[in-house]
Amino acid sequence: EAGVAQSPRYKIIEKRQSVAFWCNPISGHATLYWYQQILGQGPKLLIQFQNNGVVDDSQLPKDRFSAERLKGVDSTLKIQPAKLEDSAVYLCASSFTRLASHEQFFGPGTRLTVL
Amino acid sequence: QKEVEQNSGPLSVPEGAIASLNCTYSDRGSQSFFWYRQYSGKSPELIMSIYSNGDKEDGRFTAQLNKASQYVSLLIRDSQPSDSATYLCAVNNAGNMLTFGGGTRLMVKP
Repeated sequence: EAGVAQSPRYKIIEKRQSVAFWCNPISGHATLYWYQQILGQGPKLLIQFQNNGVVDDSQLPKDRFSAERLKGVDSTLKIQPAKLEDSAVYLCASSFTRLASHEQFFGPGTRLTVL
Repeated sequence: QKEVEQNSGPLSVPEGAIASLNCTYSDRGSQSFFWYRQYSGKSPELIMSIYSNGDKEDGRFTAQLNKASQYVSLLIRDSQPSDSATYLCAVNNAGNMLTFGGGTRLMVKP
């Protein structure tokens, strides 16, 4: 079974530029999550999708971050414009459903550096 | 603000010893609790889940949950150098949304 795929693995941009990350979840997984992990901290949930609908985006900075999951499979997370404090690893995870007993599987992450 | 607290460490134990990792959480309504292991530069990997009070054992790992004290712990027996990693405690709120602690860095010395 293929795992969660993410690209790119690394990205370096200057502040005020825009950037986009892509995630392909495990086949058949209805629920998809984007997390932000700042160095030395635990992951923080940004947004959760159930199929192609947003379940929770309460911690997504909507003035600069946006995310979509068209057709209920792949997802993209965009930052525009980026700030220095956005430097972090962006992790995508997926689970079969939203049930607590269904494990979340994490992708390798995208390491973003904002200069 | 729902919080999950962990000692950042590092926690240093000799090879073969028991490593004890602790976590407290603030939301009394939390029902599901997880321990993830994260190697440097890698993504989190689930190693234990626990849903009811008491102990749950899986190989060298034992998770302990005390909902009255809002406390969850992870014991690693016969610690190996390959166990050296950051251990993240996570609490599941409604809808399978995880709140993570900051992680405890474990170092197992040969």
